[in-house]
Amino acid sequence: GAGVSQSPSNKVTEKGKDVELRCDPISGHTALYWYRQSLGQGLEFLIYFQGNSAPDKSGLPSDRFSAERTGGSVSTLTIQRTQQEDSAVYLCASSLGGVGWGYTFGSGTRLTVV
Amino acid sequence: AQKITQTQPGMFVQEKEAVTLDCTYDTSDPSYGLFWYKQPSSGEMIFLIYQGSYDQQNATEGRYSLNFQKARKSANLVISASQLGDSAMYFCAMREGFDKLIFGTGTRLQVFP
Repeated sequence: GAGVSQSPSNKVTEKGKDVELRCDPISGHTALYWYRQSLGQGLEFLIYFQGNSAPDKSGLPSDRFSAERTGGSVSTLTIQRTQQEDSAVYLCASSLGGVGWGYTFGSGTRLTVV
Repeated sequence: AQKITQTQPGMFVQEKEAVTLDCTYDTSDPSYGLFWYKQPSSGEMIFLIYQGSYDQQNATEGRYSLNFQKARKSANLVISASQLGDSAMYFCAMREGFDKLIFGTGTRLQVFP
């Protein structure tokens, strides 16, 4: 596609429920990244995919968070048993990889846990 | 230790004036890239400018220029002739080799008439 697509754009869920956030990167971009941005804060790295493998999962806050990528394309971030502190905007980005390549970001999913 | 430091939480500038947003970084990797992104109130992240560690000249993109001082490990963003539409959060970021981008905490720029 022309850009990075994220769905849903907004998600309100009850505490304790599981949620799935989807990211469709730019076609041909081998690297895919998930970040989290809490209200008024900077971007917190969650996980990085190169192809279908995740060489860096160091930012996942707890074992309630997991992510996968299939076909070197679409990625899903799953949060189990959501907590109120999980409320944030979840941003996905893709890149061709390498030091000189910046990211193209999606518009994000705003997650609200009530 | 912070890899990327933005010490200005907020900045004000009058329309048509120039403004400098500060960014310092910390790395021992000789190969790295520095990036600036703009985030308007709509929330999208917009890439502005890139500087590679081996680049000899400062990067420029239209009204944006990056004042790269390697020895001081600083990569300040200069916006010339500010416009009202420049009001946004600005994030400095660094990539070491093929690693992920690490972002600073951001500077909120407000342009007034």
